[in-house]
Amino acid sequence: TAGITQAPTSQILAAGRSMTLRCTQDMRHNAMYWYRQDLGLGLRLIHYSNTAGTTGKGEVPDGYSVSRANTDDFPLTLASAVPSQTSVYFCASSDGTGDADTQYFGPGTRLTVL
Amino acid sequence: LAKTTQPISMDSYEGQEVNITCSHNNIATNDYITWYQQFPSQGPRFIIQGYKTKVTNEVASLFIPADRKSSTLSLPRVSLSDTAVYYCLVGFNTGGFKTIFGAGTRLFVKA
Repeated sequence: TAGITQAPTSQILAAGRSMTLRCTQDMRHNAMYWYRQDLGLGLRLIHYSNTAGTTGKGEVPDGYSVSRANTDDFPLTLASAVPSQTSVYFCASSDGTGDADTQYFGPGTRLTVL
Repeated sequence: LAKTTQPISMDSYEGQEVNITCSHNNIATNDYITWYQQFPSQGPRFIIQGYKTKVTNEVASLFIPADRKSSTLSLPRVSLSDTAVYYCLVGFNTGGFKTIFGAGTRLFVKA
């Protein structure tokens, strides 16, 4: 089982350009998340999705958009990248049911905006 | 969402037991306590989760006092490969938006 895959592994992007970070899970999890992690800091939630067809804003949603057309995929789009969006982006998923929940993380995408 | 406080960093030596304490004074009745481990250039990985008293698995133990305002992650006989950042999270399944990752505790294990 692959778990969660992210693509690309890394990317250098010119400011003002758009980009979509891809995330796919094969665990049939209901919930999915996008985090960003800046050097030396913890993870900050960008957007999340409880189930296919629904999305919500996290702690730092500005400049990002997401969609959840099906259970497996949760792409993150930067419409017009800015240097402050240089970060490592992690996608995660969880079952989303029950009282206690565990998140499973992908390997991350390292994005540099110049 | 309950806020957590952990030490920024800790040092240890191989073979020692390491205890990392997390404070969560505003924990709610339904909240669970979860610990994650993150190695450089990797996503966080679940270590252990508990609600009260003590939980033990093959990796670690989690001690939670009766008032649940803190918890302690115990790593027995650490090795160099346990050098990582450890995050304490508190939350309850609210359908997908549950918890906040703080800065974590950076554990450095020396030979």
